[in-house]
Amino acid sequence: EAEVAQSPRYKITEKSQAVAFWCDPISGHATLYWYRQILGQGPELLVQFQDESVVDDSQLPKDRFSAERLKGVDSTLKIQPAELGDSAMYLCASSLWGQNTEAFFGQGTRLTVV
Amino acid sequence: TQLLEQSPQFLSIQEGENLTVYCNSSSVFSSLQWYRQEPGEGPVLLVTVVTGGEVKKLKRLTFQFGDARKDSSLHITAAQPGDTGLYLCAGVRTNAGKSTFGDGTTLTVKP
Repeated sequence: EAEVAQSPRYKITEKSQAVAFWCDPISGHATLYWYRQILGQGPELLVQFQDESVVDDSQLPKDRFSAERLKGVDSTLKIQPAELGDSAMYLCASSLWGQNTEAFFGQGTRLTVV
Repeated sequence: TQLLEQSPQFLSIQEGENLTVYCNSSSVFSSLQWYRQEPGEGPVLLVTVVTGGEVKKLKRLTFQFGDARKDSSLHITAAQPGDTGLYLCAGVRTNAGKSTFGDGTTLTVKP
């Protein structure tokens, strides 16, 4: 069964260090999302790609976060420098293009900043 | 202020009981999804509803979309310990294009 792949599953990093997460969406899914989920809350959209283009990054803290999807397939989310408040689950999801299409999530990367 | 308000925030029941959780908003949605998330895992899609008044059933789970497409409910009949998890609703507002999640209902079903 096709699924969204994310790595690593867990990451511990010291504050002020750089950290990167990788996501490989379901084959054929043009839309890719990065979400951040703080414990006890629902996922919050950080960035949405349509193919290789960013269509929404209004909630992405651009002073320290960056995201790319160079070939319109897999994607990387980077944080530099990491802060204690960045500790959260980072979720990647993908969907077919179009409104009302269903998003499928990966298992996420649990980030702990110490 | 949350766009989607889910209630209750926490629910603990005994195996075999019935329950309903709610997802409410003042905004109109073109579609609404329900997900279940287990600790340390990503959300898993349960259902998508798109038509006002729509009712969908998935085994013991019944999902309803409000007539005005502003709210939804999830009813579970004869809950089982395997139903334990975080139930999230997510809505796509008309012409907004992106999903917004509620903060979820954490359900615990005790054997």
